[in-house]
Amino acid sequence: DMKVTQMPRYLIKRMGENVLLECGQDMSHETMYWYRQDPGLGLQLIYISYDVDSNSEGDIPKGYRVSRKKREHFSLILDSAKTNQTSVYFCASTLGSAETLYFGSGTRLTVL
Amino acid sequence: GDSVTQTEGPVTVSESESLIINCTYSATSIAYPNLFWYVRYPGEGLQLLLKVITAGQKGSSRGFEATYNKETTSFHLQKASVQESDSAVYYCALGDRNMGYKLTFGTGTSLLVDP
Repeated sequence: DMKVTQMPRYLIKRMGENVLLECGQDMSHETMYWYRQDPGLGLQLIYISYDVDSNSEGDIPKGYRVSRKKREHFSLILDSAKTNQTSVYFCASTLGSAETLYFGSGTRLTVL
Repeated sequence: GDSVTQTEGPVTVSESESLIINCTYSATSIAYPNLFWYVRYPGEGLQLLLKVITAGQKGSSRGFEATYNKETTSFHLQKASVQESDSAVYYCALGDRNMGYKLTFGTGTSLLVDP
C-alpha cells in the first residue's frame, strides 16, 4: 500500500521549544519534500531531499532544518519555534521526478 | 518567478451542476512546464487528480478535465456534473519537465457541493 505517514497530526508548542515533525513512506521513493501551507498562500517548499543525506533548501528554509538518515524517513526540525511557524506542514515523496507527488495528511502545528 | 493563480474559494455548487475552477500560470524560468491538478479530501493528504505535460493536450480523471493552453497560460479544471463527494480543496500546480523535482502550487480552491 503506497502511503506517506506524518506524525503527529496535531501539535501545540510554546515559543522557543524545539519541534520535530516526522514523515515516513513505504514506497522506497528517492525524493522527499516538506511544504507548509498558510491561509491564502499556496504550498511553500521548505526543503527537498534527493536521497539519504542529500538535502537542498527550498523557497523558505529559514528557521528549519531537516534530517534524512534512511530513505523512508524524513524529519523536519524547528529549533526554538516561533509563532510565525504556526502552519500546516505537509510531507511528500516521489520516485524520481515531481510528476506525481504522494502526500501525507499533514501536521497542524500551533506555536503559542 | 514562477507562479500559479487560481479561483479564490470557497466555491459552492449544487449537485449535478457544472463546475469550472480557473487556473493561470506564469512560468518565467521554466521552458517546458508540466501542469497538474491535485485534490485534498477532508482529513487526507493531497493526491494527484490529473496532469498534462504537453501544450494543447487535455487530461481527464474522475469526470474532471483540464486543457493545457499555452497561448493563454491557463489550465482550468472543469466538470460537467458535480457530486457531493467532489467536495474538497483543489490545487493547481506547475512543474518543470527538465528539473522535475519542484512544484509550484496555487493557493487551493475549496469546493463545497450542496446535495
